[in-house]
Amino acid sequence: EAGVAQSPRYKIIEKRQSVAFWCNPISGHATLYWYQQILGQGPKLLIQFQNNGVVDDSQLPKDRFSAERLKGVDSTLKIQPAKLEDSAVYLCASSPGLASGEQYFGPGTRLTVT
Amino acid sequence: AQTVTQSQPEMSVQEAETVTLSCTYDTSESNYYLFWYKQPPSRQMILVIRQEAYKQQNATENRFSVNFQKAAKSFSLKISDSQLGDTAMYFCAFNFGAGGTSYGKLTFGQGTILTVHP
Repeated sequence: EAGVAQSPRYKIIEKRQSVAFWCNPISGHATLYWYQQILGQGPKLLIQFQNNGVVDDSQLPKDRFSAERLKGVDSTLKIQPAKLEDSAVYLCASSPGLASGEQYFGPGTRLTVT
Repeated sequence: AQTVTQSQPEMSVQEAETVTLSCTYDTSESNYYLFWYKQPPSRQMILVIRQEAYKQQNATENRFSVNFQKAAKSFSLKISDSQLGDTAMYFCAFNFGAGGTSYGKLTFGQGTILTVHP
């Protein structure tokens, strides 16, 4: 079974530029999550999708971050404009919808904003 | 508020020895799920072990086992016969709201860096 795919793996941009990350979840997983992981910290949930609908985006900085999951499969997370404090690893995870909430993570995208 | 605390920023152990990583939490929920995730330097987060709060028996997966003390709100991970490949950041994580609006949302601790020395 293929795992969660993410691209790109690394990205370096200047502040005020825009950037987009892509995620393809495990086949059949209805729930998809985007996390931000700042160096040395645990992941923080940005947004959760159930199929193509948003379940939780309470921690998403909506003035600069946006995310979509068209057709309930792939998802894109965008930052526009980027700030220095957005430097982090952006993790995508998916879940088959078990009651446990068990999630499977992709390799992440390391973003550096200079 | 629901919080998760890992009080050991770094731990080290010799190969083949046993090490225990600590995690405490605070919640008013009665039904929840607990996890330990491993994140090696390559940064792929991998599920190590899961525990259901309503089960009294501690979960075990090969060399990994947990000590779940519900009343004390403690959830520690024991790694036996440590191997060099166990070197990683370890996170405890909780799904505090099984069902309802919190369904599937994980709350992570700050992480513990474990180094296994040859």
